[in-house]
Amino acid sequence: EAQVTQNPRYLITVTGKKLTVTCSQNMNHEYMSWYRQDPGLGLRQIYYSMNVEVTDKGDVPEGYKVSRKEKRNFPLILESPSPNQTSLYFCASSPTSEETQYFGPGTRLLVL
Amino acid sequence: GENVEQHPSTLSVQEGDSAVIKCTYSDSASNYFPWYKQELGKRPQLIIDIRSNVGEKKDQRIAVTLNKTAKHFSLHITETQPEDSAVYFCAASLGTGGFKTIFGAGTRLFVKA
Repeated sequence: EAQVTQNPRYLITVTGKKLTVTCSQNMNHEYMSWYRQDPGLGLRQIYYSMNVEVTDKGDVPEGYKVSRKEKRNFPLILESPSPNQTSLYFCASSPTSEETQYFGPGTRLLVL
Repeated sequence: GENVEQHPSTLSVQEGDSAVIKCTYSDSASNYFPWYKQELGKRPQLIIDIRSNVGEKKDQRIAVTLNKTAKHFSLHITETQPEDSAVYFCAASLGTGGFKTIFGAGTRLFVKA
């Protein structure tokens, strides 16, 4: 089954404790993205990747890191999480940047 | 910077009526305009999209129109049904000078039975 998976689905952590949210897709898509969703603000792109080893900043990259060492995986790293990073995070993939994006199930993060 | 504005933020219609959601974008280099539907507690899913070389696209009860000159695109849902109730997001994808995707803030659609 073609899908985008994210782990964990729910996470409660404390300020400053490094965490990684994994994202994996099995559709051989080149384009992958991370978004955060906050009430009233829609989906804001954090980082995107055009292909392996090619990443670039979206609209809200501060406080986040990503890597794309393999085509299927695109982890999101929060080196020192802060409460303002409490949000719902979605990973998405698509064949190119100009095609349908398939979203993962979301990761709800609470930073205390 | 690049921006996508979406209106209205909330829309309530009677079952069977039409619903229209409008978006404007700022970057004239944008060339791909998808619309996503997000039901409560679920992930966004594409319902229709349009490219910059097309003015209108229709899929059953859903249609999208694009006016490149005005940098404006709209979603039209006809004969609305209660299951159309959801949050709808427009987006614009930038194909040159970067490959960002910018989303609108969303429209919460209520369809009253």
